[in-house]
Amino acid sequence: TAGITQAPTSQILAAGRSMTLRCTQDMRHNAMYWYRQDLGLGLRLIHYSNTAGTTGKGEVPDGYSVSRANTDDFPLTLASAVPSQTSVYFCASSELAGGSQFFGPGTRLTVL
Amino acid sequence: RKEVEQDPGPFNVPEGATVAFNCTYSNSASQSFFWYRQDCRKEPKLLMSVYSSGNEDGRFTAQLNRASQYISLLIRDSKLSDSATYLCVVNMKSNTGKLIFGQGTTLQVKP
Repeated sequence: TAGITQAPTSQILAAGRSMTLRCTQDMRHNAMYWYRQDLGLGLRLIHYSNTAGTTGKGEVPDGYSVSRANTDDFPLTLASAVPSQTSVYFCASSELAGGSQFFGPGTRLTVL
Repeated sequence: RKEVEQDPGPFNVPEGATVAFNCTYSNSASQSFFWYRQDCRKEPKLLMSVYSSGNEDGRFTAQLNRASQYISLLIRDSKLSDSATYLCVVNMKSNTGKLIFGQGTTLQVKP
């Protein structure tokens, strides 16, 4: 069982370029989430989606956008990357909003 | 004050020791509580949910104290493989899906 997959595993991106981080789950979970994890700051929620067709802003949404066209996929887009977006990005899902979350393996992004 | 606070450690303990971590949360309306484990450079993984009456899973025991707004994790008979960062996680309101993560407590179990 794949669970949650993320792509790419890692990426080096030039500042000003756009990029989409992919996240796919095969558990038919209703809710999905994007976090970033930085040393000393822990996990911070970027955007979330409680069900397909809806999205919401988390703690640090600026510079990021998401879409939830179907249950399985929840891509995260950086329209114009900046060095402060260098981080490890985790996608997660839960069967229902508010429940325990399962995490993907993460994408390590470096913006130069 | 942070919404979820943990002592970052590290806690250095010998194999076989018993170790306990506490975590405090600021919102008395919080409804769901979890402990996650994260190994270096890996994704967080659910260790256990925390129930009002307390719960046990093998060598791990979780407790919730609503009056004092803290949760605890007790690990008995520590193994080398228990070395990791333990994240305290709180859902402030059910059904919003927004979990608040503590920064984690690092445990190092030594031979």
